[in-house]
Amino acid sequence: QQQVKQSPQSLIVQKGGISIINCAYENTAFDYFPWYQQFPGKGPALLIAIRPDVSEKKEGRFTISFNKSAKQFSLHIMDSQPGDSATYFCAASRRRSSYKLIFGSGTRLLVRP
Amino acid sequence: DAGVIQSPRHEVTEMGQEVTLRCKPISGHNSLFWYRQTMMRGLELLIYFNNNVPIDDSGMPEDRFSAKMPNASFSTLKIQPSEPRDSAVYFCASSLWEGSGNTIYFGEGSWLTVV
Repeated sequence: QQQVKQSPQSLIVQKGGISIINCAYENTAFDYFPWYQQFPGKGPALLIAIRPDVSEKKEGRFTISFNKSAKQFSLHIMDSQPGDSATYFCAASRRRSSYKLIFGSGTRLLVRP
Repeated sequence: DAGVIQSPRHEVTEMGQEVTLRCKPISGHNSLFWYRQTMMRGLELLIYFNNNVPIDDSGMPEDRFSAKMPNASFSTLKIQPSEPRDSAVYFCASSLWEGSGNTIYFGEGSWLTVV
């Protein structure tokens, strides 16, 4: 119930294409869903986050889509660029222990020029 | 502003030796986290401090691991004795706790190799 399942494990996209990463969860008590971006040799950094009271959040080329009934959320990267090549982690936390982020296993994205 | 500062960035040590990892959180942050990242287990929360007090250490793997936060600007994670399976990247992170959904800021990590 504490797991967040992320797919795919790796993704190769051509420059200009759309990158889509999916996550699923079981625990309906989760109420905060961030995405973190990690470049090689660096720590993860918050990219964008959503709460379950909205179905979509967009920041620039990055969009989170949230489906509460299906208990799924996804990250869409529009017009993918080589500089987006990184590992992306979804995460979730619940109100009662909101400090505790449960991370997905990560998706390694490679955007080819 | 300086981010979360960790040291050392890289450490290679022999099995059985003591390892001490250090962290300086972002000034003004009241929450500090130690995470471990491995290929097999991904990102795992080891321990969480709020206002220098350990709140949740359920992720600390065993008694060989200990963490302290003597003041708001410094924390250590100690492994004694170290074992090869402790090889991982250890991240310190900090946050200004204001309820659910706080942004957690990670350091660049301490890469530990135990041979």
